[in-house]
Formats: sequence, structure tokens, C-alpha cells
Amino acid sequence: GEDVEQSLFLSVREGDSSVINCTYTDSSSTYLYWYKQEPGAGLQLLTYIFSNMDMKQDQRLTVLLNKKDKHLSLRIADTQTGDSAIYFCAESIGGYQKVTFGTGTKLQVIP
Amino acid sequence: DVKVTQSSRYLVKRTGEKVFLECVQDMDHENMFWYRQDPGLGLRLIYFSYDVKMKEKGDIPEGYSVSREKKERFSLILESASTNQTSMYLCASSPTQFSEAFFGQGTRLTVV
Repeated sequence: GEDVEQSLFLSVREGDSSVINCTYTDSSSTYLYWYKQEPGAGLQLLTYIFSNMDMKQDQRLTVLLNKKDKHLSLRIADTQTGDSAIYFCAESIGGYQKVTFGTGTKLQVIP
Repeated sequence: DVKVTQSSRYLVKRTGEKVFLECVQDMDHENMFWYRQDPGLGLRLIYFSYDVKMKEKGDIPEGYSVSREKKERFSLILESASTNQTSMYLCASSPTQFSEAFFGQGTRLTVV
């Protein structure tokens, strides 16, 4: 089965780190993605990681992949109010046509 | 910049109407997708197309059809709209099989 699960809501204070978690069930996934959706907008790719990597860092974003536990996380350092959005993880198995999205985590940043 | 444009931001239609949602991309992408987004369910793939006149069913194709007569345009058709098709509809395109998808701003459809 291909279920990607996320918690629905996360609230953090401005300046703190945010960690958004995701679990997936298909061990044959090849790419894992994090997308951001701001209010009233479509999704925008934040970052992605190949399944043979453990970690990827891009400025304030750190992606960690634990293949044994099928766990993916996105850490946002020094969270800002502009980071308030819904964050989706997604996995692809054999190409983008087979991408499965998670339920999305709504991040609220408190000033 | 890649641009994916959906023809309407908001639509209100009556039950039983035939509804067309239009999507245009300007970057000559091969692949185009239609998703619906519902709270607590994330994005679910309705249909996708990897070439002109080619289409494949996604996870929830029932009640929908699509048309891709030109490479830049991918239309989603609700043959007879029902209230359970009230949702946010997102169109996306991608240049290759493994690359990121670029999303439109979404169409919020309400069926009354």
C-alpha cells in the first residue's frame, strides 16, 4: 500500500525550529519531496531527497530520511511568520506519475 | 519562470451541470496532472497525461474525464457535477518523469 501520513497541525514560536514529520509505507519509493502551499496558492517544491540519501541541507531547511523506519522529516531553522503554510510530503515510485502526497501539515508561526 | 494557469479561481455550479476546468502551461512540459485537494485527505490524483491525446487514470477518476488536444492545455471535465465533487482542484505540469511538478493556483469548485 502507499499511504503517506503526517500530523495535521503544528504550532511554533517565531525564531524556534520547526520539525514536520512524515511516514510512508512503500519501501520502493525513489524520490521523496517536500512541498509548501501558502494560503490561496498552489503547491511549490521546497526540496527533495533521493531514497539513497540520509540527509539533505538547503539553507534553513534540513531533510532527514530514515529508510529503516520509513520516516521523513523537514526541519526549518529560525522559523519566520512567512513560513506559515501547509507542508506536504510526497513520495514517488518509479516516476512522477506515481507520486503519493501526504495529508499535509499546517504550520502556524506565532510572533 | 514556469507558469501554470487555471482559468478560474472560484466556480459555483449546480448539480447535474457539465463543468470544464481549464489549465494551461507555458513551458512545453510533457506531463500534466489534475489533483483534488480535500482537508485531511491531502492531494489525490484524478488523471494525468504524458503526451498530447494521451491520458491515464489516477487514483480517483470516477465522475471525471480529461482532454489534452494541445500540449499546453489539459482540461478536466465533470460530466454531471455532484455535491461530493465540491473541492479544490489543482493542475500541475512537469517536464520529465522524475522532475518536480509546477502547480497552478487552484480552482475552488462548489457544487450546489
